[in-house]
Parts: sequence; structure tokens; C-alpha cells
Amino acid sequence: EVQLVESGGGLVKPGGSLRLSCAASGFTFSSYSMNWVRQAPGKGLEWVSSITPGSNYIYYGDSVKGRFASSRDNAKNSLYLQMNSLRAEDTAVYYCARDNPSSTGTTDYWGQGTLVTVSS
Amino acid sequence: ETVLTQSPATLSVSPGERVTLSCRASQSVSSDLAWYQQNPGQPPRLLIYRASTRATGVPIRFSGSGSGTEFTLTIISLQSEDFVVYYCQQYNNWPYTFGQGTRLEIK
Repeated sequence: EVQLVESGGGLVKPGGSLRLSCAASGFTFSSYSMNWVRQAPGKGLEWVSSITPGSNYIYYGDSVKGRFASSRDNAKNSLYLQMNSLRAEDTAVYYCARDNPSSTGTTDYWGQGTLVTVSS
Repeated sequence: ETVLTQSPATLSVSPGERVTLSCRASQSVSSDLAWYQQNPGQPPRLLIYRASTRATGVPIRFSGSGSGTEFTLTIISLQSEDFVVYYCQQYNNWPYTFGQGTRLEIK
């Protein structure tokens, strides 16, 4: 069974940093692109980042480019999101999601998410 | 950035009816369009990809169509569990983007 479990969320002050983790199991993690998608409270979805299996290509949404860094450790079946210079508008539930092998760019499995709150 | 506009924002329909949700792209995304369903407090669930292909386990009452800039998601014979929020997403060009969502509510 595919499982994705995010952790590392919490309350952080504006300008602060946080590192999210996503532990994957039930599939060959090293063969899949992985993604971060976020959702502000009561709002819609926003694609944050995508990273290819070998970390050769990493993409970021415009609102986080230069502040967030996505990485992965295939030996540990883990995905990470380093978030720096956090702003109030980064407050959201952050989801880790697996790329759909039938149509890359879509996501077929999601974690339950971890809440990041940026507030003084 | 490709902007996706979903309409309407909220749709009031009765169980058992058929409904069509719309998603319009600000530029062509070919057939690189997906639909997701989201229950409250839950992550999204992939319904449709490549504009018209149902994801694994998705009931046949869900169907997608369209290409270029105009897309629709049709749900026939609405069930009680279908009254949630639906998002379209394009993956033709980076950054990938979502529409703002359409909420189905019981009339």
C-alpha cells in the first residue's frame, strides 16, 4: 500500500525557516518524481515544487522560487522541502504527492498534509 | 503562467441529476488537463487525467472531455458523496496551475 506521511509543520515567525519531510513507503520511491502542493486555509490548491527521480530537475512555483528548496534522499525514501524567508502568505497545509506514472504532471497518491502557520 | 478559470464557483443540483463543470485555460494546454475531487479535511483525489482518462478506481459516472482551452467534467446520476469540491489542473507548462474550484451543493 502506497503511503506518504508528511511531518515538520508548525508555527514559525515571519522571516523564519522550516524543513518539511515526507516519508514514502509501499512503492519504489527512487523511480518516481515527487511533488509538493499546498493549500491555504479555506482556499484552493497551489503547486509548489516538483523533483525528478534523480534530482536532475527541480521546479518551483513563482511564489516560492528563491526561498524554498526541494530535495530527496532515495536511500531513505524521503522527500524534503526547506522553506526559508517565510511569509504570512505561506501559511497552508503542505501536501506531498506522488507523480502519476500514467501521466507525469498529475498526482495519484497524496499524504494527509502538514500545517505550516507563519505568524508573529 | 496559465490561468485556469472554473465555472461556476458553486453549483446547486439534486442527487440523481447530471452536472457539467467547466474549466477554461488562458492558453492552450493541449490535453494536459486533470480533474481532482476534494472532500473536506482530506487531500485531493485524482479523477481524470489527459482530459478524458479516468484514474484507477474512479466510477464510470465521471467523465472528462475537451482539449486546447475548453474542458468539462461531467458527473451523471449524482450520489451523495459527490457533493464536494472539484479542481482542474494543467500540466502542459510550468508552473503547473489549478483552477479555483467548483463546489457542488445539494439543492
